[in-house]
Amino acid sequence: GAVVSQHPSWVICKSGTSVKIECRSLDFQATTMFWYRQFPKQSLMLMATSNEGSKATYEQGVEKDKFLINHASLTLSTLTVTSAHPEDSSFYICSASDLLGAAFFGQGTRLTVV
Amino acid sequence: GQQVMQIPQYQHVQEGEDFTTYCNSSTTLSNIQWYKQRPGGHPVFLIQLVKSGEVKKQKRLTFQFGEAKKNSSLHITATQTTDVGTYFCAARGSNYKLTFGKGTLLTVNP
Repeated sequence: GAVVSQHPSWVICKSGTSVKIECRSLDFQATTMFWYRQFPKQSLMLMATSNEGSKATYEQGVEKDKFLINHASLTLSTLTVTSAHPEDSSFYICSASDLLGAAFFGQGTRLTVV
Repeated sequence: GQQVMQIPQYQHVQEGEDFTTYCNSSTTLSNIQWYKQRPGGHPVFLIQLVKSGEVKKQKRLTFQFGEAKKNSSLHITATQTTDVGTYFCAARGSNYKLTFGKGTLLTVNP
C-alpha cells in the first residue's frame, strides 16, 4: 500500500504557541489529503480536506483560522494549530487515498498543550 | 451526510473465541471499508467491499457487505492476542471522503 509519513509523532508546546504538523505522501502524489482529530477511545473526526493548490475545505464546526492547512505540493500537506490551548490537545492524523479509494494514514501526532 | 452506526462499542473475548463487529447505515452505501487501529497506532486499511452481497476473506477475517448495501460485518475466527485493537468501518463518499463508524474495541484475554 501507499506510504504516508507524518511528523512529528508527538509534540508538547506551551499555551499560546503554534505547532506545525507535516504530512507527506512518500511514494505517490496526492492531490487530496485529509486531516482528522481523534480523542482517546473515540473515532476519527474529519477536520478538513486539504486540496493541492487551493484552499482547504473545512468541516462544520472546525475553525479555519485556528487550524491552518497548506497543501503546496502534491506530496506535502501541513496543519498548523495556531495559538494552541490545552483543549487543542489531541491526536491529529492525516491520510491520503489511492486511486481505489483506500485511505493510508500517517503515524499521527500526539499534541499536548501545557 | 451519510452516517454509519457500528456495534458493539467494546468486545472482550477469550483467546480462541470468535468476534464479530457490525456496521449499519440508513442509506445505501456505494462501498464500505474496514480499518484496524492498534492501541497507540494509526488506522490501517484492511479491505474495501463494493458489490452487493460481497464476501471477502483474509485468513481468519471474513468481511461481508449486505445485499441491500446498507450493512456490513467483520468476523474474526479463533481470535488471537495479535487481533487486539479497534476495528472501524468507513463509508467512502465523494472525493474520497470517509465517514467512520465509532469503532469496536476488541480485547483478547490470553
